[in-house]
Amino acid sequence: GESVGLHLPTLSVQEGDNSIINCAYSNSASDYFIWYKQESGKGPQFIIDIRSNMDKRQGQRVTVLLNKTVKHLSLQIAATQPGDSAVYFCAERVRGGYNKLIFGAGTRLAVHP
Amino acid sequence: NAGVTQTPKFRILKIGQSMTLQCTQDMNHNYMYWYRQDPGMGLKLIYYSVGAGITDKGEVPNGYNVSRSTTEDFPLRLELAAPSQTSVYFCASLFAPGQATNQPQHFGDGTRLSIL
Repeated sequence: GESVGLHLPTLSVQEGDNSIINCAYSNSASDYFIWYKQESGKGPQFIIDIRSNMDKRQGQRVTVLLNKTVKHLSLQIAATQPGDSAVYFCAERVRGGYNKLIFGAGTRLAVHP
Repeated sequence: NAGVTQTPKFRILKIGQSMTLQCTQDMNHNYMYWYRQDPGMGLKLIYYSVGAGITDKGEVPNGYNVSRSTTEDFPLRLELAAPSQTSVYFCASLFAPGQATNQPQHFGDGTRLSIL
C-alpha cells in the first residue's frame, strides 16, 4: 500500500476469495509490527501483530507475513466477508522509541457479494 | 471498561479560536498518544506521554499542546486554530512496563475537527 495522497489504493475482491494486503515499512530498526482495521467513522482496531524475530503469525482467518530482507509486511485474509470491508493500516515500532508507531498510508479493501 | 473515550465527536471552529480535545481511558494505561489523520492518509503522531506529568513531542507537534495531570486523562489543546489543523484526531493508550512492550495501542473513535 503506497501512499497516493487523497486516493487510497483499493483492493477489490469477491466475497469468499482470499485477500492479500501489502505494506512496505520504512525502518530496518523496527522490531514490532501491527495491522489495524479502520471502519468508516471509527478508530483503528487491532487485527494481528508480529515481532521481528518471526516471519509468520496466524490468527483467526488472518495471517501476517514479515520479510525483513526487503522490509515488507503482508496481511492475508481468508474467505473474505463483506464485514471485512475497511481501510487496513500497517504500523511499525522503531526499537527504543517509547512504543511509538509509524503508520503506513493504508489500503482500502472492498468486498463485493 | 469503556476503553478510550474521546469528546467531542465533531466540532467546527473558526480560524483563531481555541479548543481542547478530551481523551480519557479507564484501563490504567501509562502510555498515551495523540495522532492526526488527514484524508486518505495514515496517522501521524502529535504528542505522547509515558506517564502522569511526562509528555513529549511527536512528528507534528506545532500548533498543539498537551498535559497529563492524571493517568486517565490526556487532553490536546489547540490555541490558535488554523485551516491546516482540519483533520480527524485520535487518542490511543497502551500499558507498557518498559520502553518496548509487544502490545498494540488501543484507539478511541476520534474527534472530527473542521476549521473554517
